[in-house]
Amino acid sequence: DSGVTQTPKHLITATGQRVTLRCSPRSGDLSVYWYQQSLDQGLQFLIQYYNGEERAKGNILERFSAQQFPDLHSELNLSSLELGDSALYFCASSPGGRGNTIYFGEGSWLTVV
Amino acid sequence: DQQVKQNSPSLSVQEGRISILNCDYTNSMFDYFLWYKKYPAEGPTFLISISSIKDKNEDGRFTVFLNKSAKHLSLHIVPSQPGDSAVYFCAANSYSGSARQLTFGSGTQLTVLP
Repeated sequence: DSGVTQTPKHLITATGQRVTLRCSPRSGDLSVYWYQQSLDQGLQFLIQYYNGEERAKGNILERFSAQQFPDLHSELNLSSLELGDSALYFCASSPGGRGNTIYFGEGSWLTVV
Repeated sequence: DQQVKQNSPSLSVQEGRISILNCDYTNSMFDYFLWYKKYPAEGPTFLISISSIKDKNEDGRFTVFLNKSAKHLSLHIVPSQPGDSAVYFCAANSYSGSARQLTFGSGTQLTVLP
């Protein structure tokens, strides 16, 4: 158990819909990261937050957005969903300093039908 | 442009033998490297890391080697066990301003045969 909690674990939704994935980082961690893993793909970095502020953006679509709240939990919002958005979405957290390992949650499986 | 490459998508090794997983990178600004192990339907689990100022780090059966001049790192698992069968991701750390970013390779599926 990494200490990073993600909900929901599984989600099935229709094209065009909007979903929200939630992440609670490890206790004390200020940084939250979101990654996407599609079938047969590696881990694609989406976005990073540090103590409520966006720090880095990766390959995140404009239809996707995220935020980190004052209690440090984070949400990833996916809208106008397409079939190709079906993937495993991982949240990870770290204390935020240099050389720190990031720890992953178990992921949220999103299936768009 | 893939900055972190794992050129072998799969590797099979006999139990008890050595497993060697390889990773190449292109960005000389990477200063910290990590290996993660991933089982199906689970999140990646941190395995071992190495700073760019070192060339070797060992933790039990796992050793990571870094060759900065060749921009190459490898993970050695000795002896390999069936429970080591998983996908292994190499990751490299860089900083953009104050933002820390981890770039992952595409992974190598290791199968340890009993």
